[in-house]
Amino acid sequence: SQKIEQNSEALNIQEGKTATLTCNYTNYSPAYLQWYRQDPGRGPVFLLLIRENEKEKRKERLKVTFDTTLKQSLFHITASQPADSATYLCALGNYGGSQGNLIFGKGTKLSVKP
Amino acid sequence: ETGVTQSPTHLIKTRGQQVTLRCSSQSGHNTVSWYQQALGQGPQFIFQYYREEENGRGNFPPRFSGLQFPNYSSELNVNALELDDSALYLCASSLDSQETQYFGPGTRLLVL
Repeated sequence: SQKIEQNSEALNIQEGKTATLTCNYTNYSPAYLQWYRQDPGRGPVFLLLIRENEKEKRKERLKVTFDTTLKQSLFHITASQPADSATYLCALGNYGGSQGNLIFGKGTKLSVKP
Repeated sequence: ETGVTQSPTHLIKTRGQQVTLRCSSQSGHNTVSWYQQALGQGPQFIFQYYREEENGRGNFPPRFSGLQFPNYSSELNVNALELDDSALYLCASSLDSQETQYFGPGTRLLVL
């Protein structure tokens, strides 16, 4: 069955540094990959989408890469701020069938210390 | 533009009872997906409704059922509640089953 692993349950970094979160997957060939942010007790908020034919996407301080050979995505937050502290979820999806069927990882809880 | 809303925010039920959760999709969206998120886990897909028809289902038993109404709002019904059904239930809407989904705040269900 499909499996998604996000590198660690928790990541602690200092303000101003770059946070790098990893998402690895097996037994699946996604057409696209998404990253979401989730704050405690709230629903996930969409951040970025990258398709299988794209290597890299950027949005302000966020950057995501997608390597379908390594079956891995890296999510970077540059110049991190305490307000970036949250859980970040990666999700895989495919076209055809139900596109609502996103497969989520467990998430990585990021803490940015001032 | 109105975002996705869910009701109620919290609910406590006992084992064996039935529950109905409600979701209003974002304005202009015709697709609603439901997810279950247990504590410390990522959301798990339950099912999706597109224009009032079920458009895919995850690995959940038949006691999880749903509806979508002509205004594209949706309900999730769970019968014969079990302790393991305690979770955050998330509704997400999109337009024409597009990749990007917009999540509501969720309903926290506790089954005792």
